[in-house]
Amino acid sequence: SAVISQKPSRDICQRGTSLTIQCQVDSQVTMMFWYRQQPGQSLTLIATANQGSEATYESGFVIDKFPISRPNLTFSTLTVSNMSPEDSSIYLCSFLHQGKREQYFGPGTRLTVT
Amino acid sequence: QKEVEQNSGPLSVPEGAIASLNCTYSDRGSQSFFWYRQYSGKSPELIMFIYSNGDKEDGRFTAQLNKASQYVSLLIRDSQPSDSATYLCAVTGTDKLIFGTGTRLQVFP
Repeated sequence: SAVISQKPSRDICQRGTSLTIQCQVDSQVTMMFWYRQQPGQSLTLIATANQGSEATYESGFVIDKFPISRPNLTFSTLTVSNMSPEDSSIYLCSFLHQGKREQYFGPGTRLTVT
Repeated sequence: QKEVEQNSGPLSVPEGAIASLNCTYSDRGSQSFFWYRQYSGKSPELIMFIYSNGDKEDGRFTAQLNKASQYVSLLIRDSQPSDSATYLCAVTGTDKLIFGTGTRLQVFP
């Protein structure tokens, strides 16, 4: 299966700043997703990153707070804007290959907001 | 009612025993079912998927699906301490993957 990487792996940020997380897959994939996993919780889908168009956000998540880009079939970014301590979480990138149903996850970005 | 339900555990089993993890789901239209293993501090790793009723075996793992009863289970035979992790059940909803809260498995020597 494809190899997926995320940068940074972890960061500590100050309240009010923004962080951009990068996700790179080593082959072209049809769908890419961004999830959040708060401490002790399960995974929550933030949005589906659509290549060449705006991301599709889930209820409770908005573009102004979590802008997403997907300029091509192998790369996406998620920005966490105007951060607060409540944004402290693990952010995970995920993908689907065309014609497949199995979804794979990147190694995650552990974000701490102070 | 939660869409995907799992017992949070911990489920404690001795080394060499069979660990049985269960998951129920609410959407009868669900078509795809997945088990992910997540070690502490790591991202979820896909270990099994099943799309048809019945059993699917892969090494020490067996996934079981019963669509009529809306449950899916994961059996781990000959459990090892390295199997100690949280196991997440995930079900495909109308257009996205829905996760349970996970069951923490502890395998003790």
